[in-house]
Amino acid sequence: DVQLTQSPSFLSASVGDRVTITCRASQGITTYLAWYQQKPGKAPNLLIYGASTLQSGVPSRFSGSGSGTEFTLTISSLQPEDFATYYCQQLDSYPFTFGPGTKVDIK
Amino acid sequence: QVQLQQWGAGLLKPSETLSLSCAVYGGSFSGYYWSWIRQPPGKGLEWIGQINHRGSTNYNPSLKSRVTLSIDTSKNQFSLRLGSLTAADTAVYYCARVPIKIYGGAILVPDPDSGLDVWGQGTTVTVSS
Repeated sequence: DVQLTQSPSFLSASVGDRVTITCRASQGITTYLAWYQQKPGKAPNLLIYGASTLQSGVPSRFSGSGSGTEFTLTISSLQPEDFATYYCQQLDSYPFTFGPGTKVDIK
Repeated sequence: QVQLQQWGAGLLKPSETLSLSCAVYGGSFSGYYWSWIRQPPGKGLEWIGQINHRGSTNYNPSLKSRVTLSIDTSKNQFSLRLGSLTAADTAVYYCARVPIKIYGGAILVPDPDSGLDVWGQGTTVTVSS
């Protein structure tokens, strides 16, 4: 299985901050990586797919980059509605594993 | 707008079988792999498996011996059965979809340059004696 690690696991930030979350894969997965946002009690919401393509309807302050084994999700200016947990997922090989998540909290 | 509406029993006993279904409203049914994901309380997401409109399945090896996915194209519905339940299967279960990519005109795979773009509302399943 492809193991995904995320760092940090917890992030405290303020509105307006630039936030970067890293996802690392145990083996190369080209650009077959998606990012999700999940708020408490809700299903995850797709933000980014193909490592860098913004899902329709997602604000442009979200961006993704990377290939191979290292990927980043960046929020250029954190908004109040962005406080949530973020997960990466690889779709390169079965099983389609998720990272452990990064919780973004209010500072 | 595409919606996934899921349902099923929420309280089960150890050794029983979980049975959940998910109905697809709107959009193409044949253009996607239909997936199940679960999330134990306070923990992360675990991919369970997926099925396409032809009935082709892929399962997480960690659950494969206990999982069966099925599909009813006449009703635009798909289902999950998970047997031999233990307390470790207590989780919120989600259905979701991922687009299909066609190779060579005939081979269907989930598009690796995509993601799970529509999700059901989640069903809380508790396994307790």
